[in-house]
Amino acid sequence: EAGVAQSPRYKIIEKRQSVAFWCNPISGHATLYWYQQILGQGPKLLIQFQNNGVVDDSQLPKDRFSAERLKGVDSTLKIQPAKLEDSAVYLCASSSFGLAGNEQFFGPGTRLTVL
Amino acid sequence: DAKTTQPPSMDCAEGRAANLPCNHSTISGNEYVYWYRQIHSQGPQYIIHGLKNNETNEMASLIITEDRKSSTLILPHATLRDTAVYYCIVRVPLAGNNRKLIWGLGTSLAVNP
Repeated sequence: EAGVAQSPRYKIIEKRQSVAFWCNPISGHATLYWYQQILGQGPKLLIQFQNNGVVDDSQLPKDRFSAERLKGVDSTLKIQPAKLEDSAVYLCASSSFGLAGNEQFFGPGTRLTVL
Repeated sequence: DAKTTQPPSMDCAEGRAANLPCNHSTISGNEYVYWYRQIHSQGPQYIIHGLKNNETNEMASLIITEDRKSSTLILPHATLRDTAVYYCIVRVPLAGNNRKLIWGLGTSLAVNP
């Protein structure tokens, strides 16, 4: 079974530039998550999708971050414009829905450096 | 805000049991305790979860106190490949049968030869 795919793996940009990350979840997984992990901290949930609808985006900085999952499969997370404090690893995860969705499967992450 | 507290680091000898503690004194009755681990430069990996009963799987055992204010993850025979950051997490319910994981800072476990 193929895992969660993310690209790019690494990205270096200057502050005020824009950047986009892509995630393809495990086939058949209805729930998709984007996390931000700052060095030395645990992951922080940015947004959670159930199919193509948003379940929770309470910690997404909506003035600069946006995410979409138009067809209920793959997803894109965008930052525009980036700030120095956005330097982090951005993790995508997916899970089945309901009681079968106890386990989240994570991708390898995208390491973003903002200069 | 995190709902769990863990020691920042621990050491364990290879072949011995690793016991990782976690405090979650404000946990509510319908919130589960989850454990994930993250090996360097990889995404987190699910280990185990429980509500109030002790749980065991092929990776680990989870012991939850009767008052549910703390728990311990046990790796029965630690190997060098178990060196990782271990996260104790509370899963909170959301609307529509959805759930959300609230992550803490984790414990960095070093298994030594």
